[in-house]
Amino acid sequence: DTAVSQTPKYLVTQMGNDKSIKCEQNLGHDTMYWYKQDSKKFLKIMFSYNNKELIINETVPNRFSPKSPDKAHLNLHINSLELGDSAVYFCASSQDGTSAHTQYFGPGTRLTVL
Amino acid sequence: GQSLEQPSEVTAVEGAIVQINCTYQTSGFYGLSWYQQHDGGAPTFLSYNALDGLEETGRFSSFLSRSDSYGYLLLQELQMKDSASYFCAVRDRGNQGGKLIFGQGTELSVKP
Repeated sequence: DTAVSQTPKYLVTQMGNDKSIKCEQNLGHDTMYWYKQDSKKFLKIMFSYNNKELIINETVPNRFSPKSPDKAHLNLHINSLELGDSAVYFCASSQDGTSAHTQYFGPGTRLTVL
Repeated sequence: GQSLEQPSEVTAVEGAIVQINCTYQTSGFYGLSWYQQHDGGAPTFLSYNALDGLEETGRFSSFLSRSDSYGYLLLQELQMKDSASYFCAVRDRGNQGGKLIFGQGTELSVKP
């Protein structure tokens, strides 16, 4: 009965490769997010979708492309991976945009680019 | 722009009380949230203050003063399992309700 799930949990890959991270929530929430947490634990929003529509797109390189096939899923595809992309990526969801203060996070995907 | 300031580290002993402060500067403000994150784990929601005053949830309380752009998280009867990072976060105005801006986090170490 996991609320927000992500796959894979760990991802180790070479520079220049393309990879995807999948996220699913079974809470019935309308809004989903992607965050990047760096080695200093700084948590920064990357994208937000509300009911499959992109509503927040921070200054993220266009190598990162989110896709939301339905409101329960938000995937993240990364092209041409770079060393600086190494981080933990968290997916999260909230009831809707006005409930952004209360978010439920997935377990995270630790991406290591070699 | 937006910025949040919180101490980087706090150490306390089991059974004690600790207060983690957060000051913020934002262009628009809805409220202040607190999240807990254990090493290797995911952030977990603790509390949210939209109005001035104290909100209590068990051993944890959170306070907000909008006029001072200041809030704090109070942890009472500290336990070893409370060792974690604690993040304050501001809900910012934006498209369709806004987004969360997180502080840098406070690493709390609880000693026996």
